[in-house]
This record gives sequence, C-alpha cells and structure tokens, in this order.
Amino acid sequence: ETGVTQSPTHLIKTRGQQVTLRCSSQSGHNTVSWYQQALGQGPQFIFQYYREEENGRGNFPPRFSGLQFPNYSSELNVNALELDDSALYLCASSGLTQETQYFGPGTRLLVL
Amino acid sequence: AQKVTQAQTEISVVEKEDVTLDCVYETRDTTYYLFWYKQPPSGELVFLIRRNSFDEQNEISGRYSWNFQKSTSSFNFTITASQVVDSAVYFCALTPGVDSNYQLIWGAGTKLIIKP
Repeated sequence: ETGVTQSPTHLIKTRGQQVTLRCSSQSGHNTVSWYQQALGQGPQFIFQYYREEENGRGNFPPRFSGLQFPNYSSELNVNALELDDSALYLCASSGLTQETQYFGPGTRLLVL
Repeated sequence: AQKVTQAQTEISVVEKEDVTLDCVYETRDTTYYLFWYKQPPSGELVFLIRRNSFDEQNEISGRYSWNFQKSTSSFNFTITASQVVDSAVYFCALTPGVDSNYQLIWGAGTKLIIKP
C-alpha cells in the first residue's frame, strides 16, 4: 500500500463528454504526476503538479488539464473525450526530493 | 535522446528458474535515476528499486537483484528461483535529472509469465 488513492476506479463515458479524475497523494508528499497507460503499453507522462503549480507537461493537448489543491491532492480533467482517451490513468506522488514516485491503483476510463 | 528500451516483450519460464529482464537506456544527462516497477494484473505500479547514476553497485533484495553497468547503459533485473506470484509486467524507467522535473520515461515493459 502506497497511501496514494484514486477515484473512481472505473468510468465509462461517451465521445465528446468531459471527465474528472481524482488523486490523493501520500502523506508528506507535495508533488503529483499523472500518466496515461494505453493497453499493452508503458505509461506516458501527462503533467506534474508541485505546490499547486504545473511543473512540467508531456505531449498531451490542452484538453488535458489539471489542478492541485492546498492539501496536495489533484484532479485530472479531460474535455471533449475521444475514443483514444480510453486508458488506465495513473497518479503518482513524490516527496521533497521528487526522486521516487509512488503510484495509486489507477482509474480505468472507457470512452464509447 | 532520452529513451528506455526493454527488448523482451514477453518471457515465460517454469517456476524455480532464474530469469533476467533486460533494460537499456539512453540519456545525455550525467545525473539521472533508473527505476524498476512491477505491474500485476490489478494495474497498480509497484516500486521495486531506484538507482542513481553515480552508484554502480549491484543490489540484492531477497530473490531480486539488479546489475547496473554505465559502460553498456544497462540496468538489468534478475529474479532468482522465480515464483508464480512474480508473474506481472515489469517496467524499467528513467528520470533524466533535475531539469526534467523528475518526469519518468518508461520502457514498453516485459511481461513475465511464471508457470507452475
């Protein structure tokens, strides 16, 4: 158990809809990173939040956006969902050194 | 270029055999970190080990061992006396350094199947 939690565990949406995924970081961690993992592939970095500011972004369009709250929990928002957004979304938290990221169980999103 | 290559897509062995998972990386940074994570069917990524670029000592943890060789840019993972519970997808990952905001760059993963 890493202490990183994500909700919901599973989600089904239709194309064009919007979705919000949530993550609570491990106690003492101030950095949250989000990854998208398509079936059979390695995770792809979406973005990272550090002290409520975006602190790096991967190759994802602006319809992927996020927030980090004062308690360091985080949200990932995806607008105008596309079929290719179907994936496992993983949240990871890390501490002051930001060296090791600990992952939550993920949210499986299916876009129909 | 920053890249991690896991050439073995899938490995299948019989329980109690030893198995080595290969990882080759590319980075232009002199300071970087290498990781191994395990992903069982449940999907959660489980942290196994972190190694920084200045520490080439091999590490052993129970049945797991890691061989880091900067000369060949490799960070291989060996499971000794494999067990069915070791069945999972294993990912090698690289954090290029401070300027990268510790973003993880992942290999494609190696699916390990341990048969009873």
